[in-house]
Amino acid sequence: SQQGEEDPQALSIQEGENATMNCSYKTSINNLQWYRQNSGRGLVHLILIRSNEREKHSGRLRVTLDTSKKSSSLLITASRAADTASYFCATAISGNTGKLIFGQGTTLQVKP
Amino acid sequence: ETGVTQTPRHLVMGMTNKKSLKCEQHLGHNAMYWYKQSAKKPLELMFVYNFKEQTENNSVPSRFSPECPNSSHLFLHLHTLQPEDSALYLCASSRGGVNEQYFGPGTRLTVT
Repeated sequence: SQQGEEDPQALSIQEGENATMNCSYKTSINNLQWYRQNSGRGLVHLILIRSNEREKHSGRLRVTLDTSKKSSSLLITASRAADTASYFCATAISGNTGKLIFGQGTTLQVKP
Repeated sequence: ETGVTQTPRHLVMGMTNKKSLKCEQHLGHNAMYWYKQSAKKPLELMFVYNFKEQTENNSVPSRFSPECPNSSHLFLHLHTLQPEDSALYLCASSRGGVNEQYFGPGTRLTVT
């Protein structure tokens, strides 16, 4: 099974609502990263949270990390139609050099 | 613009053709990556280069041949591909290690 698994696979909300996506992983990590991908395009790095951090904010994004549960969540507050995209978590494994393991992603649709 | 460019953006090739994908990064990074993204599958790491040296080959078939002449350029040479190789091929770069990665827009490859 995969290192990173995301939940839900798809999420549809109204503009202005909050969106929460979850990521679980299996092995010890150095950090966990969230990326966004618009349809058919490259991924864009959103935020990186280190294994010794519990919460991090960037604009309307809030990421939490619980290493005891091996899980992370990404919260997008006050969503906009432009937030419609796929969101991926990626884990940087402890002791590894430059290898990220990506989850399958959550597809978010924000309806205007 | 992430500072990582890929050409071509779209490529259709027959199974007997030989073609190359090109990636260039303008970020001064030392590490470069090739990923394959197929429908309904997680992003698959193919190759990692650090300071022009290949440090990861994720059991990729020999019909995919990477080349990294310098830290700014990365190529993926393709020959005798199969229809199941049709996918979005993404290049990324980073400062190496467990740092965040910057992705190009990808090459949409169709093998007929």
